Amino acid sequence: RKEVEQDPGPFNVPEGATVAFNCTYSNSASQSFFWYRQDCRKEPKLLMSVYSSGNEDGRFTAQLNRASQYISLLIRDSKLSDSATYLCVVALNTGGFKTIFGAGTRLFVKA
Amino acid sequence: DGGITQSPKYLFRKEGQNVTLSCEQNLNHDAMYWYRQDPGQGLRLIYYSQIVNDFQKGDIAEGYSVSREKKESFPLTVTSAQKNPTAFYLCASSPGTGFTGANVLTFGAGSRLTVL
Repeated sequence: RKEVEQDPGPFNVPEGATVAFNCTYSNSASQSFFWYRQDCRKEPKLLMSVYSSGNEDGRFTAQLNRASQYISLLIRDSKLSDSATYLCVVALNTGGFKTIFGAGTRLFVKA
Repeated sequence: DGGITQSPKYLFRKEGQNVTLSCEQNLNHDAMYWYRQDPGQGLRLIYYSQIVNDFQKGDIAEGYSVSREKKESFPLTVTSAQKNPTAFYLCASSPGTGFTGANVLTFGAGSRLTVL
C-alpha cells in the first residue's frame, strides 16, 4: 500500500463546477500536510498548507481528518486556469526528513 | 527575485555517460533536495542536504551522486550506474528539514533528461 494515495483521475468538469479531491495517508507519524499544484511539464508549487481546523483560501478549502487519516481539497467555481495536477503531500515527524508526495490527481476544467 | 535555477532544462545523454545537473538557489535556505518524477508516480527523493558539506541518501540514491560545497549549490550527477535515468529531475530547497509547515519546499523548473 502506498503511503500517500490519491485518485489519479482525470476529473473532467465544466467551468463553474465544484470539485473535491481526497487523499489518504497511512503513517500515523504524519504531522504536516500540504496541497501542491503542478501544471503540465512544470514544477510543483505550493497551493496551500492544511491545518487541523480546516482552512480556506478564496475558492479553495482544505480539510484534515486525522482520525480517518485523510485530507481533502475542495475547489469551488472552477476556472479553466485550475486545470492542473494536484499533489497531496505529507511530512512525517520521524526525527529526520521524510516528505511523501502522492502521485497526483489530474483536473481538466472545460468551457 | 529569489528562487531556484536548474540547468540545463533539457539534456540528452548516451548510455554509459555521466551527466551533471546544476541547481542554484538564492533563497538562503539551509536544506536542498533532489527528486525524480516519472509519469504516473509521485516525486521520489534521491538525495538531500541539510547543511554545507553534508548530505543523506533518499529513497532512490543508487546510481546518483551529489555534493554540497556551497550553501547555494547542490549539483546532481547521474552516473552510468543508473539503469533507467530518463526522467524529470526536480531540485528543491526549504529553510530547514523539520516537519513543520514552515519548511515547505520551493522547486526549481526542472531538468528533463533523456537517454538515447
